[in-house]
Amino acid sequence: DTGVSQDPRHKITKRGQNVTFRCDPISEHNRLYWYRQTLGQGPEFLTYFQNEAQLEKSRLLSDRFSAERPKGSFSTLEIQRTEQGDSAMYLCASSRGWGDHYNSPLHFGNGTRLTVT
Amino acid sequence: DAKTTQPNSMESNEEEPVHLPCNHSTISGTDYIHWYRQLPSQGPEYVIHGLTSNVNNRMASLAIAEDRKSSTLILHRATLRDAAVYYCILRGSQGNLIFGKGTKLSVKP
Repeated sequence: DTGVSQDPRHKITKRGQNVTFRCDPISEHNRLYWYRQTLGQGPEFLTYFQNEAQLEKSRLLSDRFSAERPKGSFSTLEIQRTEQGDSAMYLCASSRGWGDHYNSPLHFGNGTRLTVT
Repeated sequence: DAKTTQPNSMESNEEEPVHLPCNHSTISGTDYIHWYRQLPSQGPEYVIHGLTSNVNNRMASLAIAEDRKSSTLILHRATLRDAAVYYCILRGSQGNLIFGKGTKLSVKP
């Protein structure tokens, strides 16, 4: 178990630019989640995948945000035309997603910290 | 997902037990109670979960009230490394976790 890996760890970008983050889940996990966390708040759910299918999207995920998981392995989260309000920690998590998935813990990466100037 | 209520912060002394409470009066019959914690500058980490019976693992114990409207996470001997934000979450059929603000635990040496 090498853990969930996120890249980059930090990203500074200017307002209006596009950014893309990558998440590599634990290899045998077929569920992958994206969360966003701002200072002093708990993580906010954005979206999740079961294999390559995107099963749920939060209303927080505006049309500037798009997530993909093309082969059911790694995932990317892209933010277009970034705004200062997008500054946050973006967290990725994975879990087993078959059978009794209530009981499958989510394993989180250490996140990508985005700063929009 | 049903909501939980936790104190904003708690303090503990090192090597003493810590009881972190959580209220979840609107819990449904199929909701599991999950606890995660988040250390500074890290992603959340799974601690423990349960449905009806009390649960123990190497990290903590989870005591669930008989009516399931509240639960308590028990750290038997707090260490400085246990200083973190602890989240109590009800996990339903969707499988995703909806976090609240959690309880910030401070541990004094």
